[in-house]
Amino acid sequence: GDSVTQMEGPVTLSEEAFLTINCTYTATGYPSLFWYVQYPGEGLQLLLKATKADDKGSNKGFEATYRKETTSFHLEKGSVQVSDSAVYFCALNYTGGGNKLTFGTGTQLKVEL
Amino acid sequence: DGGITQSPKYLFRKEGQNVTLSCEQNLNHDAMYWYRQDPGQGLRLIYYSQIVNDFQKGDIAEGYSVSREKKESFPLTVTSAQKNPTAFYLCASSMGAGPYYEQYFGPGTRLTVT
Repeated sequence: GDSVTQMEGPVTLSEEAFLTINCTYTATGYPSLFWYVQYPGEGLQLLLKATKADDKGSNKGFEATYRKETTSFHLEKGSVQVSDSAVYFCALNYTGGGNKLTFGTGTQLKVEL
Repeated sequence: DGGITQSPKYLFRKEGQNVTLSCEQNLNHDAMYWYRQDPGQGLRLIYYSQIVNDFQKGDIAEGYSVSREKKESFPLTVTSAQKNPTAFYLCASSMGAGPYYEQYFGPGTRLTVT
């Protein structure tokens, strides 16, 4: 079945450092890919998405490119801030029909001054 | 403001009791979902509904039940048959059930069963 694999956390960075969170997927067909962010004690917010190969999703300085050849959707940001500290989830839609998301286990990011 | 409301934020129950978690949306979305989140794990789908009066089991439906009598409401009942009910429960909705529709999440309900 479909699955998403994320790098394990926590990832600890200094403010203004470059961020990469790796995400790879296994899916039949052509899924849409998503990054969600969860701040402490809150629900998930959609950060960005890409619906076909080579699409680049971007939002709030974060970017991710849908790479079909490597089945990857790595999240990047050029300069992180303390306010970016959160848990980041990579997800794909269920290609069997409907809109059922399959999530990775999440990567916790801690940004320090 | 449009959004998804889940109440209460924290819920405590004794083992053996059924408990119902509320989820309401005023986004006029057709599809609604329930997920469970456990520490160190991703979200797992419990149930979903694409239209009123219809719902399907997700990956971990055992011990849970839902209803969808109104478009804006999708309550989840955690029954006494659920072996490990303590978790963070998230409700979501999307405009449609197709693969390109974004899911919007509520703030979640943290259920503790002792």
